[in-house]
Parts: sequence; structure tokens; C-alpha cells
Amino acid sequence: AQSVAQPEDQVNVAEGNPLTVKCTYSVSGNPYLFWYVQYPNRGLQFLLKYITGDNLVKGSYGFEAEFNKSQTSFHLKKPSALVSDSALYFCAVRDFTNAGKSTFGDGTTLTVKP
Amino acid sequence: DAGVIQSPRHEVTEMGQEVTLRCKPISGHDYLFWYRQTMMRGLELLIYFNNNVPIDDSGMPEDRFSAKMPNASFSTLKIQPSEPRDSAVYFCASRSGTSGGAGEQFFGPGTRLTVL
Repeated sequence: AQSVAQPEDQVNVAEGNPLTVKCTYSVSGNPYLFWYVQYPNRGLQFLLKYITGDNLVKGSYGFEAEFNKSQTSFHLKKPSALVSDSALYFCAVRDFTNAGKSTFGDGTTLTVKP
Repeated sequence: DAGVIQSPRHEVTEMGQEVTLRCKPISGHDYLFWYRQTMMRGLELLIYFNNNVPIDDSGMPEDRFSAKMPNASFSTLKIQPSEPRDSAVYFCASRSGTSGGAGEQFFGPGTRLTVL
């Protein structure tokens, strides 16, 4: 079984401040972890993924995420937030033994205020 | 590549009518997924295909919903008869099966369905 939790429905930050969007997961084996972003009236877009190797993953638009196996977390981060980062963010997990579907979190709405 | 293509982008219909949503995945992708997104239920996986074969349809709400993938380039999601509670945004996504399943999904722009 695989599951993912995004404990915060909403995250608010000021422009220029660092941001963190939290994600924890549960899988039977080793995880593939993903972050997606959804802008209003658009489909989800891939940001970054962890497959194996370096625990710090860098992705699009200056985002990065850190894989922490002991805490089963994969938090999304950015050193300096932009107003244009405001969107809905989804974390997803897939057990590497499961070649099929991923499980998505409920999403976190990020609002960056000028 | 044009990405995942969905049609129509918007559909307004009356309760009891048949609705067909269409999806063209990215060429070469061998997984195809249908999702539904609402404010109340969030993002739900309805069904997914691998090499045109339905693998898991446990998310399909009821027998009114059906999905087909007659070839690698085309899939349909049909609702018959439609009900107001089916109003949602329906997304199609595709993914490559190479890299041992580590690939990310590519989502279409969605079809916004309104059932009156």
C-alpha cells in the first residue's frame, strides 16, 4: 500500500522569503516521489522527482526538495518566493515495486504576498 | 510534441444525457490515466491503462462511467446517463513505462464538465 499526506491545506509567505510545502509518505518498499504544480484552470505540471541517489533534488523554477528516509518526508522548498509561485501544489508517491499508479496528496495552496 | 490533448475543453449538458470525453496521449507513452478533480473530493484517479489494457478501474464511481482505449493514440471516458454530481474537471495524463516506472506524468489541460 502507498499513501501520501500534505498536512497543510494552505501556506502563506511573503515575497522574497523562503517557502516550504510539506509532504510525508508511506510505502511498502522504496519510493518514487514527485511534486506537481497546478495553476488556475490548468492541468498539473511536473516540478521535480526523487528516484534514487542524492537526497536533495533540484527542479523547475528554482524549486528543490529534500528526501528524508528516516522521517519519510519529501518537503518542497524554495529559497526566495515569488508572487508567481502562488498555485496549488501536489505531492505524489509510487512504490518502486508498483509500476502503475501514483498516489497523490490532497494538495497545498501556496499564496505568496507582495 | 503537442503534449496530452483533451477535447472538448468545456462541456455543458443536461442531466440524463450521454457525455464523451476524449484524450490523445503523448506519442510513445504506454500508461494513460483518467482523473477527476472537484473542490470537495480533490484529485481522484478513475482508471488507468497500460498498453491500451485497463489495469485498475477501482476509482470509477459507478456503472454509468466507462472508459476505453482502442489504440495507443486515443482514449475515451463516457458517462451515461450524466448527473449533476458528475460536474467536475476531468484530466487525462500519460506516462512512459521506461525507466522502471520512475517517469513523471504529463497532464492534459482538462475538460470542465457541467451537468445541469
